[in-house]
Amino acid sequence: DTGVSQDPRHKITKRGQNVTFRCDPISEHNRLYWYRQTLGQGPEFLTYFQNEAQLEKSRLLSDRFSAERPKGSFSTLEIQRTEQGDSAMYLCASSFSTGNAFFGQGTRLTVV
Amino acid sequence: AQKVTQAQTEISVVEKEDVTLDCVYETRDTTYYLFWYKQPPSGELVFLIRRNSFDEQNEISGRYSWNFQKSTSSFNFTITASQVVDSAVYFCALDMDTGRRALTFGSGTRLQVQP
Repeated sequence: DTGVSQDPRHKITKRGQNVTFRCDPISEHNRLYWYRQTLGQGPEFLTYFQNEAQLEKSRLLSDRFSAERPKGSFSTLEIQRTEQGDSAMYLCASSFSTGNAFFGQGTRLTVV
Repeated sequence: AQKVTQAQTEISVVEKEDVTLDCVYETRDTTYYLFWYKQPPSGELVFLIRRNSFDEQNEISGRYSWNFQKSTSSFNFTITASQVVDSAVYFCALDMDTGRRALTFGSGTRLQVQP
């Protein structure tokens, strides 16, 4: 399968714990995006990378959130000291610079 | 600021009926892109179409068609002869022509096609 893959698909964690999600984009794509989607809403932009450089971060991305793309390939999104409000679907997408974004199936996070 | 409004939260139709999903957008930019994505129960957003602001021609792809009207800031999506497999949440999205490709999504319309 050469699509965008995300791991894990589901994560349940206790409030206050740290969690890390991984995204493997389509291999030729130089751009990688993270979005967050809460129940009944559309995805909201969090951040994006061009190769290994993080070019933009949304105001939604608090200090507890950090994203990396160390070699310009896969990316990780870490949430420290999780809160119940962090419960959501976290979607990753990738694209060429001028192309359409292709999305993964997401990681559903539940904070209890 | 950009905004996308999908006023229809949920639509239910019977198979073979035609259905139109509405999308209204707001932007101050003169150059922008509009998108439609489909999100089936599996969760993955599936790209359907991209249209730039200078191209107001309607487009048809099989049972799908799109009507873009700048005068009313609308980009509506019609499915002709709906099928059960069309059941999903459909999102309209907007992107400024800055190259960011960071999309602003509407809240989605859930379409249920009954057999």
